[in-house]
Amino acid sequence: DQQVKQNSPSLSVQEGRISILNCDYTNSMFDYFLWYKKYPAEGPTFLISISSIKDKNEDGRFTVFLNKSAKHLSLHIVPSQPGDSAVYFCAASARWEAGSYQLTFGKGTKLSVIP
Amino acid sequence: DVKVTQSSRYLVKRTGEKVFLECVQDMDHENMFWYRQDPGLGLRLIYFSYDVKMKEKGDIPEGYSVSREKKERFSLILESASTNQTSMYLCASSSGGLAGSQETQYFGPGTRLLVL
Repeated sequence: DQQVKQNSPSLSVQEGRISILNCDYTNSMFDYFLWYKKYPAEGPTFLISISSIKDKNEDGRFTVFLNKSAKHLSLHIVPSQPGDSAVYFCAASARWEAGSYQLTFGKGTKLSVIP
Repeated sequence: DVKVTQSSRYLVKRTGEKVFLECVQDMDHENMFWYRQDPGLGLRLIYFSYDVKMKEKGDIPEGYSVSREKKERFSLILESASTNQTSMYLCASSSGGLAGSQETQYFGPGTRLLVL
């Protein structure tokens, strides 16, 4: 049962336009959400996060929106640049029984920004 | 800056071989994780450790074991490599703690393993 879903495997956007990547989750115990960016043959790089007590977090061109009632979050990239072309993973965190946290990842969305 | 390093970027092994993947982090993080990434399947957690000598199974532990003898080092062991373990292996660490930014995991560059 997939607890974190990224329903779009791929997305193509023109350079300069807005990219919107979506993520849905099912587990109401998730309280922290993260986006990672991954280039081929490299490890994921942390991009931006949001706590469940907020509905928006912004960092430069990247903004994450959280709608708790809909169990939905989205990553907005504006303006999109060719260097943003990568696979983006949504992740959600829940406290594990010993007190530490585990992340559950979506399957990723491949973003292609066309010059 | 958090640095997570993995011993090899690319590895080719034969079926039945014992394989060791090493991961080292330099930020005194409590938690360390091993994932594998396969096309269309995202990142799947194999094992994790929240303290020295402690380990917990993730979602897909079968065929793997781990070792954490020192805080900074977390090893993934394939006892008898099989072709279905061909994958990209990613190590990550997080500081631990109560909530928020301590949950952020930082990843190494990955090891691409091919089992023939």
